[in-house]
Amino acid sequence: NAGVMQNPRHLVRRRGQEARLRCSPMKGHSHVYWYRQLPEEGLKFMVYLQKENIIDESGMPKERFSAEFPKEGPSILRIQQVVRGDSAAYFCASSPGLGSNYGYTFGSGTRLTVV
Amino acid sequence: KQEVTQIPAALSVPEGENLVLNCSFTDSAIYNLQWFRQDPGKGLTSLLLIQSSQREQTSGRLNASLDKSSGRSTLYIAASQPGDSATYLCAVNGGNSGGSNYKLTFGKGTLLTVNP
Repeated sequence: NAGVMQNPRHLVRRRGQEARLRCSPMKGHSHVYWYRQLPEEGLKFMVYLQKENIIDESGMPKERFSAEFPKEGPSILRIQQVVRGDSAAYFCASSPGLGSNYGYTFGSGTRLTVV
Repeated sequence: KQEVTQIPAALSVPEGENLVLNCSFTDSAIYNLQWFRQDPGKGLTSLLLIQSSQREQTSGRLNASLDKSSGRSTLYIAASQPGDSATYLCAVNGGNSGGSNYKLTFGKGTLLTVNP
């Protein structure tokens, strides 16, 4: 069982470019969550997805950020026109059902640096 | 809005010492609480999950307790080792307005250093 796989581990983008972060949940997990960890801050919830559905995106900035979890393939967190303030560690977690019943397994994260 | 506080922010102990990390949360209407460890530049490793109906969970040298009514949890580490050095994060599920049962609210963590 490979766990939650995130790639790339490190991503450097220039201001104005697009960043695409990928997350493959654990086998058998159909619930995916994205969290962001800003420097010196705790992890903050961004979005909760199930296959082909966004359940809750209340933690995502209204502009430039989007997420998807297609029927086939990994979940993608996309950040358009990145700015320096987007530099952070982005973590993906998955669960086989609602997290209230099962808890969460986290990936190793993608560290985005905007230069 | 749920808020999670972890005390102390940093802790340095000699090897072999028993220690306690504290976590408090403002809204007791939680579904569960999970302790994680995070190594520098790495992801989160789940240590213990306590459901709201439980009082404690144990795994090896780790014991986590939950007092939901007072909004507190502790993580007890017995016979600490240098390999235990990491940041320990407490996260609660629930207690946010709207009653969502999938959002984790994290504390900022306790940075533990165990000196050989």
